[in-house]
Amino acid sequence: AQSVTQLGSHVSVSEGALVLLRCNYSSSVPPYLFWYVQYPNQGLQLLLKYTSAATLVKGINGFEAEFKKSETSFHLTKPSAHMSDAAEYFCAVSDRVNVGQGGKLIFGQGTELSVKP
Amino acid sequence: EPEVTQTPSHQVTQMGQEVILRCVPISNHLYFYWYRQILGQKVEFLVSFYNNEISEKSEIFDDQFSVERPDGSNFTLKIRSTKLEDSAMYFCASSLTGGYTDTQYFGPGTRLTVL
Repeated sequence: AQSVTQLGSHVSVSEGALVLLRCNYSSSVPPYLFWYVQYPNQGLQLLLKYTSAATLVKGINGFEAEFKKSETSFHLTKPSAHMSDAAEYFCAVSDRVNVGQGGKLIFGQGTELSVKP
Repeated sequence: EPEVTQTPSHQVTQMGQEVILRCVPISNHLYFYWYRQILGQKVEFLVSFYNNEISEKSEIFDDQFSVERPDGSNFTLKIRSTKLEDSAMYFCASSLTGGYTDTQYFGPGTRLTVL
């Protein structure tokens, strides 16, 4: 079975500091990986996705993530945090093992990012 | 930009009552999904729906749950007889093709509280 694990349910950084949100995956097939963000009272919004093209994926709002097969990781980074980045971040993998129709997502536990002024 | 909408934003119900959660997916999308998140736990897949029938469902999606696309725009999740453990945030999502790499667009969620 495929799974993702997000280390740290809550991460706090200062404004301007590096943001690093960790995601590790487990998969018996090459994974397709996603990062979503949820701002308060809003739906999950796609930040970026890895679909086996470039291993360094750039997303919206200055975020990027690097797929590292050797480490089974897909960590999300942003060089300089902004107050508006405060939100909950979800890592997910598209289920390619239990084959059905519709590519369901398997999510990690989520990481809440706080940004201090 | 097109978005997925959900109503109501918050639903409070008594145990044993039926609830219907409503979603309007993005208009040209073909695949529809329901996920839920119990407080403090992961977002979990419930069901996917394509061409007016269920494509896949999880173990959570038992006989108490049903989905329907009653018209060309709405997509509903019905829970026939709610239980305390059904209290959760329910997210609707839609995607254009349902492929493994296709982006799923999520609504803001409905918070269901069962008393």
